[in-house]
Amino acid sequence: QKEVEQNSGPLSVPEGAIASLNCTYSDRGSQSFFWYRQYSGKSPELIMFIYSNGDKEDGRFTAQLNKASQYVSLLIRDSQPSDSATYLCAVTGTASKLTFGTGTRLQVTL
Amino acid sequence: GAVVSQHPSRVICKSGTSVKIECRSLDFQATTMFWYRQFPKQSLMLMATSNEGSKATYEQGVEKDKFLINHASLTLSTLTVTSAHPEDSSFYICSARMSYEQYFGPGTRLTVT
Repeated sequence: QKEVEQNSGPLSVPEGAIASLNCTYSDRGSQSFFWYRQYSGKSPELIMFIYSNGDKEDGRFTAQLNKASQYVSLLIRDSQPSDSATYLCAVTGTASKLTFGTGTRLQVTL
Repeated sequence: GAVVSQHPSRVICKSGTSVKIECRSLDFQATTMFWYRQFPKQSLMLMATSNEGSKATYEQGVEKDKFLINHASLTLSTLTVTSAHPEDSSFYICSARMSYEQYFGPGTRLTVT
């Protein structure tokens, strides 16, 4: 079982819709959870981080964490073509090392 | 804030030569930096954790004598790929930790001919 799992996609949503990206993790001791956006040929860019159960909102982005279900998600409201990228879920434990999922490719269509 | 730079952004070298990549945290001090490698259409793979003033910690399967890491100051870590071969061609990305978050540099694309 992979430590961090994501659906590779592509996830296709129309412009203006809500994109929902999901991630599950296997280590119950995981403490911090991150979403990165990576455009093709570029390095990852930190979008959101969440440490506690519940929702955390930042602009058009909402991260949701459910530690009991070992599940973290990212919602993107009012999706724009510029949101088209690969979204990487990453998790840290006590060692503070990031473990990445393989990423979900999001396509926002006009 | 939280800007990380890398130099060079792109390098082409001949097989058997060595290449040094620099990673700098520009507006914060980072006691810990990380080096990743990413092959096309794959996710990031952690190579090593670089701690200021001490030896780097390498992930399993990463040759420490081939990938030399030096973290000489709180804002600079370097990765030297020694005796590079074509299979070392990849996208090398560093990150620096500030509090609990990691911020990535723009990456260095290495091509070994």
